[in-house]
Amino acid sequence: EAQVTQNPRYLITVTGKKLTVTCSQNMNHEYMSWYRQDPGLGLRQIYYSMNVEVTDKGDVPEGYKVSRKEKRNFPLILESPSPNQTSLYFCASSYTHNGELFFGEGSRLTVL
Amino acid sequence: GENVEQHPSTLSVQEGDSAVIKCTYSDSASNYFPWYKQELGKGPQLIIDIRSNVGEKKDQRIAVTLNKTAKHFSLHITETQPEDSAVYFCAASMGYQKVTFGIGTKLQVIP
Repeated sequence: EAQVTQNPRYLITVTGKKLTVTCSQNMNHEYMSWYRQDPGLGLRQIYYSMNVEVTDKGDVPEGYKVSRKEKRNFPLILESPSPNQTSLYFCASSYTHNGELFFGEGSRLTVL
Repeated sequence: GENVEQHPSTLSVQEGDSAVIKCTYSDSASNYFPWYKQELGKGPQLIIDIRSNVGEKKDQRIAVTLNKTAKHFSLHITETQPEDSAVYFCAASMGYQKVTFGIGTKLQVIP
């Protein structure tokens, strides 16, 4: 089954404790991206990647890092999480640079 | 950068009625306009999309219209059903992963 898998789905952590949200897709897509969803703000792009070892900042990259060492994986790293990073995070992948996005189920992160 | 405005933020309709959600965008370089449906606890899923060389597209009860001159596009759902209840997002893209989403519309279809 074609899918984008995120882990963990739910996480409560404390300020400053490094965490990684993993994302994996099995569709051989070149393009992957991370979004955060906040009430009243919709979906905002954090980082995106157009291929292995090629990443770039989206609209809200502060406080986040990403890496793309393999085509299927695109982890999101919060080196020192803060409460304003409490949000619902989505990973997405796509076959083309300008087409349908396939989203994961989301990861709800709470930073205390 | 691109700015996408979406209205209304909430919409309640009676089952069987039509629902219309409107979006405007600011950057004339945007050329791809998808609509996503997000059900509770799930990720958004594409329901219909339109490219800038097309004015209208239909898929059963769903249609999207695009007015490039006015920089606005709309989602039309006819004969609404309870399973249409969800959050709908419009988006504008100019390619290379530069996608900007609207804030979302929570649609409630009342049986």
